Amino acid sequence: KNEVEQSPQNLTAQEGEFITINCSYSVGISALHWLQQHPGGGIVSLFMLSSGKKKHGRLIATINIQEKHSSLHITASHPRDSAVYICAVSQGAQKLVFGQGTRLTINP
Amino acid sequence: GAGVSQSPRYKVAKRGQDVALRCDPISGHVSLFWYQQALGQGPEFLTYFQNEAQLDKSGLPSDRFFAERPEGSVSTLKIQRTQQEDSAVYLCASTLGHPGSSYNEQFFGPGTRLTVL
Repeated sequence: KNEVEQSPQNLTAQEGEFITINCSYSVGISALHWLQQHPGGGIVSLFMLSSGKKKHGRLIATINIQEKHSSLHITASHPRDSAVYICAVSQGAQKLVFGQGTRLTINP
Repeated sequence: GAGVSQSPRYKVAKRGQDVALRCDPISGHVSLFWYQQALGQGPEFLTYFQNEAQLDKSGLPSDRFFAERPEGSVSTLKIQRTQQEDSAVYLCASTLGHPGSSYNEQFFGPGTRLTVL
């Protein structure tokens, strides 16, 4: 069993829909990261959180430390949100351990 | 430059060749990480430097993989006698702070896509 599990692996939705991507982890962490990867490989950090909730534009990330679970939400989804979203955890503020990613496709 | 850069962006090697992949981190960033991402998978940790010191190389898959950061800035990942299973995207990331500091956002380079024929 992977230390970081994401669901779903693939998600297709229509423009405007509310999107939720889930992440569960099995190890103690210092922080949880949500990353976005577009075709071509570039990875961008969206959020780094260790408790509670963070919001940036249409993106919201939440974490429940007791349940070892985090969610990434996208409101009013748009085709430009299409990308792979990756959950990763850091232990001791060093290396990241990644989930396998969720491929999101938003159709117009 | 403004971000992490990697070169080459694409590399095709014949099985058995040696390759060298370069990473230029953001100026002043203390920590540097190398990750390997197989097709359709999430990245996996290879090795980590704090300045010029290689503090963790537990993710290097074999002794054919070697990384260095001699002056604490640019890093090179070398793969000797490449095999087909080495085909992947190799990602470099850097962070400003030391481990244990409160802010450790990792900034990623665009990656080098290695294809071994």
